[in-house]
Amino acid sequence: DVKVTQSSRYLVKRTGEKVFLECVQDMDHENMFWYRQDPGLGLRLIYFSYDVKMKEKGDIPEGYSVSREKKERFSLILESASTNQTSMYLCASSPGGGPGELFFGEGSRLTVL
Amino acid sequence: TQLLEQSPQFLSIQEGENLTVYCNSSSVFSSLQWYRQEPGEGPVLLVTVVTGGEVKKLKRLTFQFGDARKDSSLHITAAQPGDTGLYLCAGVIARNTGNQFYFGTGTSLTVIP
Repeated sequence: DVKVTQSSRYLVKRTGEKVFLECVQDMDHENMFWYRQDPGLGLRLIYFSYDVKMKEKGDIPEGYSVSREKKERFSLILESASTNQTSMYLCASSPGGGPGELFFGEGSRLTVL
Repeated sequence: TQLLEQSPQFLSIQEGENLTVYCNSSSVFSSLQWYRQEPGEGPVLLVTVVTGGEVKKLKRLTFQFGDARKDSSLHITAAQPGDTGLYLCAGVIARNTGNQFYFGTGTSLTVIP
């Protein structure tokens, strides 16, 4: 069974802390994505990666960075968390080629106090 | 940013009723996908439509892609409580580096037994 695993389901952090969200996929997919989900706004793309060590900015990259050192792992980093980064974060992977399908993890709900 | 507007944002109906959800954009997409998300889980793909004017049926769900490939609709016949969830449309744009997925604002459906 294909799987995208996010390291933490729930996190509570304080303003200014560094936050790591990790995502691992077992499907050998080339493409990986980080979205944040907020009510009424749908899913907004933060960063994506089409290959190891390669990253591209999405629509809302400010305040975030990413790392993809291995094909199966894509990490999202908040260097200095702020309260407006309180959100649900969803990681997804997709095979290369064709229309593609996004396979999502269960999400990481981050609260920044 | 490719904006997709979904309507309605919220929908609460009785079991057995029919409903239609709309997904509209001013952008042209290579294909369009519909996902359903249940509480505490990531979105799961329901269907991909590729050709303008295409209609796909999945049991009681009917999906249509607009002729100009800018909009789509999801029609549910005889809704059941198991249809409850958040429905998200996603426009797909194919690029050399890989597909990009742009999500709609979401429609939260509640089917009351």
